[in-house]
Amino acid sequence: QVQLVQSGTEIKKPGSSVKVSCKASGGTFTNYAVSWVRQAPGQGLEWLGGSIPVFRRGSYTQGRVTISADESRSTVYVEVSSLTSEDTAVYFCAVATVGTDYLFEHWGPGTLVTVSS
Amino acid sequence: DIVMTQSPDSLAVSLGERATINCKSSQSLLYSSKKKNYLAWYQKKSGQPPKLLISWASTRESGVPDRFSGSGSGTDFTLTISSLQAEDVAVYYCQQYYSTPITFGGGTKVEI
Repeated sequence: QVQLVQSGTEIKKPGSSVKVSCKASGGTFTNYAVSWVRQAPGQGLEWLGGSIPVFRRGSYTQGRVTISADESRSTVYVEVSSLTSEDTAVYFCAVATVGTDYLFEHWGPGTLVTVSS
Repeated sequence: DIVMTQSPDSLAVSLGERATINCKSSQSLLYSSKKKNYLAWYQKKSGQPPKLLISWASTRESGVPDRFSGSGSGTDFTLTISSLQAEDVAVYYCQQYYSTPITFGGGTKVEI
């Protein structure tokens, strides 16, 4: 059973960057597909990106979002640059069911990122 | 991008009564060669991460009460809670995993 531990609450200034981590506890991310999903206050779920499987692919960037991984630490990261108030959200890592890429069976507890001047 | 449209936005159901949530996709989620619909349902309670309830449109996940059921194919899907319990108060989301970018419906808030 994969258990996920995420880094703590972040408060950032507009224009800065934030990097949130997600570590597998009691297991490993190897061969799992890991995605990041966020939920802004009062809003729905938004997929930020994912990788299949993340450790084989290395980091990749889409727009302002970069997803990377450190296999030695069994940790996946999401970094969002050029932050605005619209990036204020709870950020979740989500691990897909084995054999699928984006069917999210396991979720981290979430990390609150607040962007405020 | 595949657009997922849920209805209603919210509904109030008495304890023990049926709740029905609809989800429509802008294109078919049926992978014909595999005969599977790439549609999932999640339950999201305040302060908690989403919980996977239903995969492949109608497969209940292990440990999910059998009052939850999913149906539909192609572009039209339904999540049914046959007898609402107090612990079912939550927001429910459909999600397509047919193609990237992965997209979710806007959510349906279920209240007593």
